[in-house]
Amino acid sequence: QKEVEQNSGPLSVPEGAIASLNCTYSDRGSQSFFWYRQYSGKSPELIMSIYSNGDKEDGRFTAQLNKASQYVSLLIRDSQPSDSATYLCAVREDSNYQLIWGAGTKLIIKP
Amino acid sequence: ETGVTQSPTHLIKTRGQQVTLRCSSQSGHNTVSWYQQALGQGPQFIFQYYREEENGRGNFPPRFSGLQFPNYSSELNVNALELDDSALYLCASGADFEAFFGQGTRLTVV
Repeated sequence: QKEVEQNSGPLSVPEGAIASLNCTYSDRGSQSFFWYRQYSGKSPELIMSIYSNGDKEDGRFTAQLNKASQYVSLLIRDSQPSDSATYLCAVREDSNYQLIWGAGTKLIIKP
Repeated sequence: ETGVTQSPTHLIKTRGQQVTLRCSSQSGHNTVSWYQQALGQGPQFIFQYYREEENGRGNFPPRFSGLQFPNYSSELNVNALELDDSALYLCASGADFEAFFGQGTRLTVV
């Protein structure tokens, strides 16, 4: 059973601070890793993808991947109240397009 | 704007009925996947179509079926609806490894 694990939270972070979200996965064959943001009642929105070990930065977001330890993380710098949402980690093998999802971490940014 | 459109956005059906959900993808997006998301959970993979052929299926019974059409639209059909089928149904499409979602269809079975 391929699994993706996330802490359900809620994770509460003061406005302007760094929010750190973590995800571990069980399948060593996984090659593609994604972070989605989902506001309540809305569909997931892709915010970051990462395919190789190391860091990938996009604006205030940094994704970090460590395949040896089987974890992927998302850092959000200068957190804003609008960042309050559930963040979903998704993992995919190269062989197909099926995404395996974590249950999501609820992030709350406090003004 | 993801270029993926789902219809309807909300739907209420009675237990035992059948439902068809629709998805329209961007031109060139040969792959479409359908997911079910229950409240408070991550999406669960239902199945995937590539160039009108099903090429992957999750742990869902045969009463969940689908079609993909040459014009990049697709359907999810669910027969003999059960109360537990109440969920947000998501369609995702993409041309590479990234998947972009439509706004979802909220199905309520009563």
